[in-house]
Amino acid sequence: QVQLVESGGALVKPGGSLRLSCAASGFTFSDSFMSWIRQAPGKGLDYFSIISSTGDYTNYADSVEGRFTISRDNTKNSLYLQMNSLRAEDTAVYYCATVRYGQFDYWGQGTLVTVSS
Amino acid sequence: QSALTQPASVSGSPGQSITISCTGTSSDVGGHNYVSWYQHHPGKAPKVMIYDVSNRPSGVSNRFSGSKSGNTASLTISGLQAEDEADYYCSSYTINTHVVFGGGTKLTVL
Repeated sequence: QVQLVESGGALVKPGGSLRLSCAASGFTFSDSFMSWIRQAPGKGLDYFSIISSTGDYTNYADSVEGRFTISRDNTKNSLYLQMNSLRAEDTAVYYCATVRYGQFDYWGQGTLVTVSS
Repeated sequence: QSALTQPASVSGSPGQSITISCTGTSSDVGGHNYVSWYQHHPGKAPKVMIYDVSNRPSGVSNRFSGSKSGNTASLTISGLQAEDEADYYCSSYTINTHVVFGGGTKLTVL
């Protein structure tokens, strides 16, 4: 069955960096657009990044543009999120998901990122 | 991109039906048929309940149905059950930013 497993969440100080990973299995990863979505405490779901199946197209929400980088390694069936210049408002549970025309078919369980001094 | 508009909360008694609306614009909800609904229990992964406006993934109860009229999509849950209590989100494709979510609706089963 389809599995997406995020890892790498941690407590990090403001201005710090973190790299999240998402290990995929049970489907043809290299055929799938992928996305990162987050949910801050007490808030709703917040889509902020997408990457094409080959990795040659990426897009970001204004809130993370220039600070976060989405990437993938299709040989390892893995999705990544490099997060730099982290802010308190980046504190959230981060989910990876397959995406198709704005619709998320499969989700991981999420990994918690806490930005605090 | 503004979020799609959903009611903050809805409630219903077991066995009743409820409907959650999701209002956007002609650039998103009204412009195509790529609208999904997700059920999210706290601490768990969100689960897609409806995709492409009205299609149910395999394994999702037929008590869940979706529809759309103009710029507003709707999720209807019939025969409410206690386990339906969760947060529900809609999402839509939008050409500019690819995805827009609704703000979420908390469903309470009384």
